[in-house]
Amino acid sequence: EADIYQTPRYLVIGTGKKITLECSQTMGHDKMYWYQQDPGMELHLIHYSYGVNSTEKGDLSSESTVSRIRTEHFPLTLESARPSHTSQYLCASSGGGGPYNEQFFGPGTRLTVL
Amino acid sequence: SQKIEQNSEALNIQEGKTATLTCNYTNYSPAYLQWYRQDPGRGPVFLLLIRENEKEKRKERLKVTFDTTLKQSLFHITASQPADSATYLCALRGRDDKIIFGKGTRLHILP
Repeated sequence: EADIYQTPRYLVIGTGKKITLECSQTMGHDKMYWYQQDPGMELHLIHYSYGVNSTEKGDLSSESTVSRIRTEHFPLTLESARPSHTSQYLCASSGGGGPYNEQFFGPGTRLTVL
Repeated sequence: SQKIEQNSEALNIQEGKTATLTCNYTNYSPAYLQWYRQDPGRGPVFLLLIRENEKEKRKERLKVTFDTTLKQSLFHITASQPADSATYLCALRGRDDKIIFGKGTRLHILP
């Protein structure tokens, strides 16, 4: 079944740890995105990719980095987690050629940095 | 800077009535506007899209209007049901393909 997956769903980690949030999609989409969302607030685009080996920073400055080595995989890495990184991280993809060009979102990773 | 405004307070609607949500934007000329639904702890789910040259779109119990002069979209849910309770996000997509999202409006349908 075509879908978009994120792991882990929840992560509680100590300050200074390196973490990688995984995102994979099986829809063959070229475009993938990472958003950050705090409770009751809007989604902020932090990274996006329009295809393999293409990555760009979004509108919200983030200390995280991303890579796009395979079409289906778009992991996000934080080299040294801090409490200010505590948030919900949502991965999305688009570009299936449908009429709406909508974004399909994963379930999110809720990150808590102690 | 670009800005999207949605009803900041939660909207409580009696079951069976029509719920109307508002999205206003400034400093932007979107190619089209999308509405998404987001449930607690989940990612948003796409509902409807309306293009800049369209006035109205319908899908089952949903209706969206788009007034580019007023820079406003209205999102209607007719014959509302408790299962419609969620947060509804307005999103603008520009010609550069980037999307900006509003904060969303929390809708509660009261049985």
